[in-house]
Amino acid sequence: DAGVTQSPTHLIKTRGQQVTLRCSPKSGHDTVSWYQQALGQGPQFIFQYYEEEERQRGNFPDRFSGHQFPNYSSELNVNALLLGDSALYLCASSSISTTGSYNEQFFGPGTRLTVL
Amino acid sequence: EDQVTQSPEALRLQEGESSSLNCSYTVSGLRGLFWYRQDPGKGPEFLFTLYSAGEEKEKERLKATLTKKESFLHITAPKPEDSATYLCAVSTGGGNKLTFGTGTQLKVEL
Repeated sequence: DAGVTQSPTHLIKTRGQQVTLRCSPKSGHDTVSWYQQALGQGPQFIFQYYEEEERQRGNFPDRFSGHQFPNYSSELNVNALLLGDSALYLCASSSISTTGSYNEQFFGPGTRLTVL
Repeated sequence: EDQVTQSPEALRLQEGESSSLNCSYTVSGLRGLFWYRQDPGKGPEFLFTLYSAGEEKEKERLKATLTKKESFLHITAPKPEDSATYLCAVSTGGGNKLTFGTGTQLKVEL
C-alpha cells in the first residue's frame, strides 16, 4: 500500500500565477481533504471532497478550488497567487465507516509551494 | 468556533526523562480528538484517536488520555528518535474537518 501520494514535492511560482497540486488517496479511501500549513503553524482546513463534490469548506477565498475524480484522486487549484500562499499543502484521505462516522485521516508528504 | 491550544510550545528533554504534552480544547460536540507526529518538512503521521472522556490509548513509549476539556500525550523514557512536533486536532460537527493546534516541538537529547 503506497499510502497517500502527492505531486509535485516542491513548486516555485510568481505572484499572479496559477498552480495545480495533485493527490492520490490511500487504497480503500474515498474522501480527500486539503490543508494549508504555514511555517510554525498547525494545518488549516481548506476543503473536503467526497463523491466528487465539495462537502465542507474552511475559511479560504474562492481563489482556492478543487476537484475529485471518479478514482477518488483530487486536485487543488490556486489562482492569482499571493506571497502569503507560500506554505506546505497537505492532502489527507479517509473513509466513511459502515456506521456513517468518519475514520482517521492519513496525510501525504505534502507539496511545498513557494510564491516569489 | 472550535479552538485547540497546545502547551508547551517547545520542550527539551534528556533521554529517559518522562514528560507530558497538553492539548486543551473548546468545541461544540466533540466527535474525536487526534494526535499526530510531524517530522520537519513531512506530512503528519497518525498516532491516536480518542472519542470519549476517560479513554486511553498506548503505543510504545506514548500514551494518550482524554478528559472533557483536554488531552495529554505522555512520553515515557523518551529516545532521541521521538524528537518531532506533536500535533493535536479535533473533529466536530457533521463533517470530518480537523481543527489543529499549533503543536509542541519536542527535542530529546542524549
